[in-house]
Amino acid sequence: GENVEQHPSTLSVQEGDSAVIKCTYSDSASNYFPWYKQELGKRPQLIIDIRSNVGEKKDQRIAVTLNKTAKHFSLHITETQPEDSAVYFCAASMNTNAGKSTFGDGTTLTVKP
Amino acid sequence: NAGVTQTPKFQVLKTGQSMTLQCAQDMNHNSMYWYRQDPGMGLRLIYYSASEGTTDKGEVPNGYNVSRLNKREFSLRLESAAPSQTSVYFCASNVAGTYEQYFGPGTRLTVT
Repeated sequence: GENVEQHPSTLSVQEGDSAVIKCTYSDSASNYFPWYKQELGKRPQLIIDIRSNVGEKKDQRIAVTLNKTAKHFSLHITETQPEDSAVYFCAASMNTNAGKSTFGDGTTLTVKP
Repeated sequence: NAGVTQTPKFQVLKTGQSMTLQCAQDMNHNSMYWYRQDPGMGLRLIYYSASEGTTDKGEVPNGYNVSRLNKREFSLRLESAAPSQTSVYFCASNVAGTYEQYFGPGTRLTVT
């Protein structure tokens, strides 16, 4: 089955700096790559996603890049703010499996004011 | 719209007890999922239901059973709880063909 690895497991940045989280996946059939943000004690919520026919997608301060050849994708957060502090999960899905996703282990991002 | 709802929010069980976690969604979604989240780990898929009337095993199905009662409801049952099943359980749903998953608030289960 699919295997998703996520790095780093923890990341601490100063407010205003950029943060980058990287994920690799194993199954070349995966074609949908979402990123979820989970605040302490809350449910995961989708923040951005990318499909395999696109190399990059941006939404205000967050962006995701995808390299299908290398089977890796990354989340970029610019101008970080304290409210960006949370656990971020990447995931990979195949459209032959009803959209079920394999998740990475998460990255705990701390933004220091 | 309430979105995805789960009951109960918290539960403490003794080893060997049974219980059912309930999940319902009011978004007319076709697919529903049950995940568990352990500390320091991502979400691991227990079971999923691609559509009403179908269920399939995920990555960690042992010790669990599920029922897709109708399009809205998908329940998870622990027949004989074990301490290894202490976890936070999330239900999720999505429209088939659009893979964004909407999560419920979670159930925090402790088995002593």
